[in-house]
Amino acid sequence: DTGVSQDPRHKITKRGQNVTFRCDPISEHNRLYWYRQTLGQGPEFLTYFQNEAQLEKSRLLSDRFSAERPKGSFSTLEIQRTEQGDSAMYLCASSLQGSRAFFGQGTRLTVV
Amino acid sequence: QKEVEQDPGPLSVPEGAIVSLNCTYSNSAFQYFMWYRQYSRKGPELLMYTYSSGNKEDGRFTAQVDKSSKYISLFIRDSQPSDSATYLCAMTDSGNTPLVFGKGTRLSVIA
Repeated sequence: DTGVSQDPRHKITKRGQNVTFRCDPISEHNRLYWYRQTLGQGPEFLTYFQNEAQLEKSRLLSDRFSAERPKGSFSTLEIQRTEQGDSAMYLCASSLQGSRAFFGQGTRLTVV
Repeated sequence: QKEVEQDPGPLSVPEGAIVSLNCTYSNSAFQYFMWYRQYSRKGPELLMYTYSSGNKEDGRFTAQVDKSSKYISLFIRDSQPSDSATYLCAMTDSGNTPLVFGKGTRLSVIA
């Protein structure tokens, strides 16, 4: 399978714990995006990378959130001190320049 | 007012019907328009990709963009139960900025 891969698919964590998600983009894609989706809403942009450079961050991305793409390949999204409001589907997408973005299956986070 | 407005539905149609899904937007700079299909608890799947105004057809799916009215549509012909999903419109002003999504329309096709 050469699509976008996300791990884990589902994460349950206690409030206050830190969590980290991983995204492996389509191999030749230089752009990688993180989105968050809550029930009944469309995906909301969080941040994106071109190669290893983080080019834009949404104001939705509080200082508890950090993302990296150290070698311009896979990316990680970390949430520190999780809150119940962080419960959502976290989606990763990749593209080769342009706007034709392909999504992974997402990581569903539940904070209890 | 959100940048992209999409009626969340739900929309229920009989098998074989023609389905019309729509989005309106406020940012006249948007030039690239996409439709994604999302099954429950899955990631969005790219269905249609259109640049600027006009129509694009792919099998049973037709995407239309009317930039003068800031209105885009997705038509599904001969709808099937397997088309039951949430349909998300998305758009951007250039190839260099992230997509802005509508809320999605939940569609059910009844056999």
